[in-house]
Amino acid sequence: NAGVTQTPKFQVLKTGQSMTLQCAQDMNHEYMSWYRQDPGMGLRLIHYSVGAGITDQGEVPNGYNVSRSTTEDFPLRLLSAAPSQTSVYFCASSGGVATNEKLFFGSGTQLSVL
Amino acid sequence: AQSVTQLGSHVSVSEGALVLLRCNYSSSVPPYLFWYVQYPNQGLQLLLKYTTGATLVKGINGFEAEFKKSETSFHLTKPSAHMSDAAEYFCAVSDTGNQFYFGTGTSLTVIP
Repeated sequence: NAGVTQTPKFQVLKTGQSMTLQCAQDMNHEYMSWYRQDPGMGLRLIHYSVGAGITDQGEVPNGYNVSRSTTEDFPLRLLSAAPSQTSVYFCASSGGVATNEKLFFGSGTQLSVL
Repeated sequence: AQSVTQLGSHVSVSEGALVLLRCNYSSSVPPYLFWYVQYPNQGLQLLLKYTTGATLVKGINGFEAEFKKSETSFHLTKPSAHMSDAAEYFCAVSDTGNQFYFGTGTSLTVIP
């Protein structure tokens, strides 16, 4: 049972480059989300989705795009990377759209933007 | 919007001592409350959650937390710390808006 799979685990970008962080889950979860984790700031929600074709912004959405074409996948796109986007990114999913369900987290992507 | 405050970014306890990690939340509606643990280079794992019902919630690895509405608190405790408890702990709150709000985390060090 793979759970939530994130790729890549590490990435170094130059300012202005674009890339996509991949997230896939095999638990048939409706709810998927992306967080960034920065020292002293905890986890902050970037975008989330309550089902295929439905996405919404979280606390810090600027500079990031998402789409949800299938239940399994929820990629996060950085169109023009900036040093301020250096962070550890976590994808998480849950079994229901109601937020009393626990989140299942991927192992994270460590991104450095030079 | 909800918010979560974790008092103390670093907590050190001796092995066998009581662990107390503090969490206060702001919410205008009855919230759902969670504690997650993060071991080095890993994602977060759920320790316990409060939704409705009993205010004392028991979780994995001997941890428990008490929901106190009058104090808007959800402190995490463990009677006797073990070396394997060393990790980062996050309190989180959610409402019916499909969003979770995390605290800034507390790093727990266990001294042998």
